[in-house]
Amino acid sequence: KNEVEQSPQNLTAQEGEFITINCSYSVGISALHWLQQHPGGGIVSLFMLSSGKKKHGRLIATINIQEKHSSLHITASHPRDSAVYICAATLITGNQFYFGTGTSLTVIP
Amino acid sequence: DAGVTQSPTHLIKTRGQQVTLRCSPKSGHDTVSWYQQALGQGPQFIFQYYEEEERQRGNFPDRFSGHQYPNYSSELNVNALLLGDSALYLCASSFSAGQSSYNEQFFGPGTRLTVL
Repeated sequence: KNEVEQSPQNLTAQEGEFITINCSYSVGISALHWLQQHPGGGIVSLFMLSSGKKKHGRLIATINIQEKHSSLHITASHPRDSAVYICAATLITGNQFYFGTGTSLTVIP
Repeated sequence: DAGVTQSPTHLIKTRGQQVTLRCSPKSGHDTVSWYQQALGQGPQFIFQYYEEEERQRGNFPDRFSGHQYPNYSSELNVNALLLGDSALYLCASSFSAGQSSYNEQFFGPGTRLTVL
């Protein structure tokens, strides 16, 4: 079993829809990260969270430490949001990433 | 600042061969981590280098080895290549300065390795 689990695996949405991607983890973490990966491989860090909520433009990330759960929300989705979104955790015991398997998002115009 | 750079972009090898992948960290960063991402999967941690030494290692065989140079650049070497080694290899850099706590990692574009 992975230390980090994500759902859903694949997601298709109409432009303008509100999107939620979920992440749960089973170990003690020092930080939870949301990453975006476009076709071709490049990974961009969207958020790093250790508590509460962060917002950047149309993206919102939340984390519930007690429930070991985090969500990434995209408001007013757009086709350019189409990418793989990956949840990753850095553990208390070290600073390497443990990745979820990713959520492939396709936003249809 | 060029950010994290990796070379080559793509590489094709045959089973049993050896390969070396290279990574230059973002300016000011001293720590390099390597990840393997198989098609359709999330990346898996291979190892991390700091001060020219392997600081942490994931669940990868000894065929996977690395090196870090005094200028903080790093190499990933894979010996006796297997078909299953075909993947995107990602390098990420961060600034540690000896701390074990997390500092934000920046990713390179990756090297796509195909083993035939």
